[in-house]
Amino acid sequence: DTAVSQTPKYLVTQMGNDKSIKCEQNLGHDTMYWYKQDSKKFLKIMFSYNNKELIINETVPNRFSPKSPDKAHLNLHINSLELGDSAVYFCASSPRRAGANVLTFGAGSRLTVL
Amino acid sequence: RKEVEQDPGPFNVPEGATVAFNCTYSNSASQSFFWYRQDCRKEPKLLMSVYSSGNEDGRFTAQLNRASQYISLLIRDSKLSDSATYLCVVKPGQNFVFGPGTRLSVLP
Repeated sequence: DTAVSQTPKYLVTQMGNDKSIKCEQNLGHDTMYWYKQDSKKFLKIMFSYNNKELIINETVPNRFSPKSPDKAHLNLHINSLELGDSAVYFCASSPRRAGANVLTFGAGSRLTVL
Repeated sequence: RKEVEQDPGPFNVPEGATVAFNCTYSNSASQSFFWYRQDCRKEPKLLMSVYSSGNEDGRFTAQLNRASQYISLLIRDSKLSDSATYLCVVKPGQNFVFGPGTRLSVLP
């Protein structure tokens, strides 16, 4: 009964390929996020969706496209992978209501681009 | 200037020591503040929220100074299991902004 689950956990692929990471939460949260943690361990927001609507879109290359089919799912598709895309990608979710600001993370998806 | 800055670390302390982490943030509109903990190769997990009046949870004490835009975390009687990276997090709006983290190693 994992709260935020993302797949795959590990992904090794060649430059130029297209890949997707899926995320699902069963917490009933309204807001979902994608964070990128690079080799220097810095966690940086990429996207956020609130009830299927994009609310945060940081400076991320167009090759990254999030998709939220419903409020429990937020997938990340990456086109034309580059070496610099190698990182751990964390999905997270939080409730929207005031005073309930907890961010719950998935276990992460480690992407290695060769 | 980074939106959230923390002590660079790493901190290497003996078991039983008291250790303090500092954090500053630049966005004065920030309304919510947290400390998260991240173990090696794991996801970040909430350690504690930080309230204006300061708050304590067992051996952990968090303080917030809004005027100075400064947050601290004090760990008393360090345990080996406290070894991790401690992430200062602020929430100015919809986004949770993470600091770079401070690594703590508690040594036997």
